[in-house]
Amino acid sequence: EAGVVQSPRYKIIEKKQPVAFWCNPISGHNTLYWYLQNLGQGPELLIRYENEEAVDDSQLPKDRFSAERLKGVDSTLKIQPAELGDSAVYLCASSSPFGTSGEVDTQYFGPGTRLTVL
Amino acid sequence: AQSVAQPEDQVNVAEGNPLTVKCTYSVSGNPYLFWYVQYPNRGLQFLLKYITGDNLVKGSYGFEAEFNKSQTSFHLKKPSALVSDSALYFCAVRRLSNTDKLIFGTGTRLQVFP
Repeated sequence: EAGVVQSPRYKIIEKKQPVAFWCNPISGHNTLYWYLQNLGQGPELLIRYENEEAVDDSQLPKDRFSAERLKGVDSTLKIQPAELGDSAVYLCASSSPFGTSGEVDTQYFGPGTRLTVL
Repeated sequence: AQSVAQPEDQVNVAEGNPLTVKCTYSVSGNPYLFWYVQYPNRGLQFLLKYITGDNLVKGSYGFEAEFNKSQTSFHLKKPSALVSDSALYFCAVRRLSNTDKLIFGTGTRLQVFP
């Protein structure tokens, strides 16, 4: 079974430029998460989707960040314009309320996109 | 508010020796507790979780963790460390409600020496 797929793996941009990250969750997982991981820190939730609905976006800086999950499968996270402080790893994860006891509500993470803003 | 503390930034252990990576948590109500491992330039890999039942949880790669409600701890353990276990380990917690977000600790770097 394929895991969570993210692209690109690495992105280098200049400040004030826009950038977008893409995530394809595990097949059948209706819950999708975007996390921000700063160097030396644990991941912090940016936004959580249940199917196509954003049910928790309280930590998303809405002045420059936006996300969408139009068909309830793939998702895109965008930053416009990027700032130097946005340099971090952006992680996508997915989960399902179904499956074995070990799988239920367990979040599975993609490899992340490492963003460098110059 | 939920929180997780990983008091050690780094743990060093010799290969073959037992290892422990510590985690304490604070949450109202009953917790879901998780351990993840992160290798360089990789995402987080799920190791194990505690929801209810037996306080000793067994997970991937020979790891296990013990839930201690009175001490609000969920320490990760392995009887015999491997050099390949060297990585960054994260403890995480959330309440039983499915709408609650996962709160991660700051991570503990495990270094296993040959």
